[in-house]
Amino acid sequence: EVQLVESGGGLVQPGGSLRLSCAASGFTLSHYWMYWVRQAPGKGLECVSRIDDDGSSTLYTDSVKGRFTISRDNARSTLFLQMYSLRVEDTAVYYCARGNSGFDIWGQGTMVTVSS
Amino acid sequence: EIVLTQSPDTLSLSPGERATLSCRASRSVSNYLLWYQQKPGQAPRLLIYDASNRATGIPARFSGSGSGTDFTLTISSLEPEDFAVYFCQLRNNWPLTFGPGTKVDIK
Repeated sequence: EVQLVESGGGLVQPGGSLRLSCAASGFTLSHYWMYWVRQAPGKGLECVSRIDDDGSSTLYTDSVKGRFTISRDNARSTLFLQMYSLRVEDTAVYYCARGNSGFDIWGQGTMVTVSS
Repeated sequence: EIVLTQSPDTLSLSPGERATLSCRASRSVSNYLLWYQQKPGQAPRLLIYDASNRATGIPARFSGSGSGTDFTLTISSLEPEDFAVYFCQLRNNWPLTFGPGTKVDIK
């Protein structure tokens, strides 16, 4: 079964850090660009970051530039999002998604709550 | 940055009725437009890519049309499982903006 499973979310204080992971199974991760998408409670969807198939090129939405780092380990079929200097406004469900003529496979999401 | 707007905000319909959802881009995106469905507590599901192509496993009652700046998602006859929120998204222009969504609820 083609699947993405996120982990690593939780409660963190403002200014803190978290590392999210996304484990891929049922397909070859190295063949696809991958994305992190977030959704604040009761809000819409926001594409946070993108990484190309071999990790040589990355993009970030403006609000997370310099604070978040996307990376991947194709040998372990895992995508990562390292988040530093977290802000209250980063509170959201974070999804990883596979890029394939759109985001055709999504994980179930992991909740990140930034609060004191 | 290209902005997507969706209308209406909410569409109240009965099962069996036709749903017509609109997505408008602030400038031309050719046909690089995607549609997703999201149910409460679930991740979004890709319905339509490149404006008019159904994704794998998507029923034929879902169709997409449009190009340039104006796009439409049509559900020909609503099934009970179709009541959800629908988002459009850019495919080719970072940060791959999503529209704000249209909620289709039961009348």
